[in-house]
Amino acid sequence: EVQLVESGGGLVQPGGSLRLSCAASGFIFSSYWMHWVRQAPGKGLVWVSRINTDGSAPRYADSVKGRFTISRDNAKNTLYLQMNSLRVEDTAVYYCAREHCSGGSCFFDPWGQGTLVTVSS
Amino acid sequence: SYELTQAPSVSVSPGQTASITCSGDELGDRNACWYQQRPGQSPVLIIYQNNKRPSGIPERFSGSNSGSTATLTISGTQAMDEADYYCQAWDSSTAVFGGGTKLTVL
Repeated sequence: EVQLVESGGGLVQPGGSLRLSCAASGFIFSSYWMHWVRQAPGKGLVWVSRINTDGSAPRYADSVKGRFTISRDNAKNTLYLQMNSLRVEDTAVYYCAREHCSGGSCFFDPWGQGTLVTVSS
Repeated sequence: SYELTQAPSVSVSPGQTASITCSGDELGDRNACWYQQRPGQSPVLIIYQNNKRPSGIPERFSGSNSGSTATLTISGTQAMDEADYYCQAWDSSTAVFGGGTKLTVL
């Protein structure tokens, strides 16, 4: 079974740091681009970051650029998101998602269960 | 930056057809997909490449994409279809989501 399991969320003060992890299983992790998507309480989905298969070409949403770092360890089948200088507006459930492509079209499948990050004093 | 627009809410009676739209500049020239998110759950892919259903997704879900509008159609809507629905497309290898539409089955 293809599965993604996030961990590492929690309560952190503004200006603090947190590292999220996403453990992958059931597929060849090193063959897929991976993404982080977040959802603030009661709000919609917002793309955060993505990383290619060997980690050489990360990309970020403008809202997190310079503060967040995406990385991966293909030997451990794990995706990471290092979040620094956290702001109240970063409060959200963070999902990791696999980018899967078929017939020239790419999409997110599957998604993890999400991990909640709360930034508050 | 590229934007996708969805109506915040749509209501439908059980057994009727629900249509949820997603608009964006020349969206028809891109591949659109749709995700269903039930309360308290993670999003699930229900339509990809405009009109294809992943295995396990009921036939009552269908999609189309032309001009500036992608449409998700749910035929014979059931109570279990009450959820938030998000469209998604790509812009320069970054993902763009619509704001989401809450489907209420009355």
